[in-house]
Amino acid sequence: QTVVTQEPSLTVSPGGTVTLTCASSTGAVTSGYNPNWIQQKPGQAPRTLIYKTGNKHSWTPARFSGSLLGGKATLTLSGVESEDEAEYYCLLIYGGAWVFGGGTKLTVL
Amino acid sequence: QVQLVQSGSEVKKPGASVKVSCKASGYTFSSSGISWVRQAPGQGLEWMGWISAYNGNTNYAHHLQGRVTVTTDTSTSTAYMELKSLRSDDTAVYYCARDYDYIWGSWGQGTLVIVSS
Repeated sequence: QTVVTQEPSLTVSPGGTVTLTCASSTGAVTSGYNPNWIQQKPGQAPRTLIYKTGNKHSWTPARFSGSLLGGKATLTLSGVESEDEAEYYCLLIYGGAWVFGGGTKLTVL
Repeated sequence: QVQLVQSGSEVKKPGASVKVSCKASGYTFSSSGISWVRQAPGQGLEWMGWISAYNGNTNYAHHLQGRVTVTTDTSTSTAYMELKSLRSDDTAVYYCARDYDYIWGSWGQGTLVIVSS
């Protein structure tokens, strides 16, 4: 069973920078896993922020960026705002089947 | 703009089936795909399956194969997810999302399905 692992929780100060990571139990995450990053705020539907590693949708704030580093997919928030407090999920594809990470609860404090 | 509008909440008894709809607008439905995702109360997101609205190809999560079926009606730009043999642990909010060429885009608003005797 494939497992995608994220930090369960992270805390960042307003205006700060934080990096969330996404690891695969099968080995290094590469662009072939087509990482997507999903944001979900309490009581709301999820929203896709990043697709195919580092591409942004038109609605994605500029302070969000995605990349690959050290065998993991990463989501970096620079200049964090209070509205960024949310759960963040990464999503990887394995031969046609998508697998979500367990999510990272980001607290802005 | 792209919109995915899902059907309303459902309450079902164990052993029954549920069919959730997802009506798309704002893009060419038949050239894209739809993934279905669910979220049990207080839990994370779980991918269930995907369908190409272009050719009807499907992929399903291994542990749900045989119980879940995703279909599309291109004449109405609507995708459907049917889950059979419902159990109490199928209680969740079910979401559709536009998923094409490994790009996840817009999401539906979610449909609450409660399975209870």
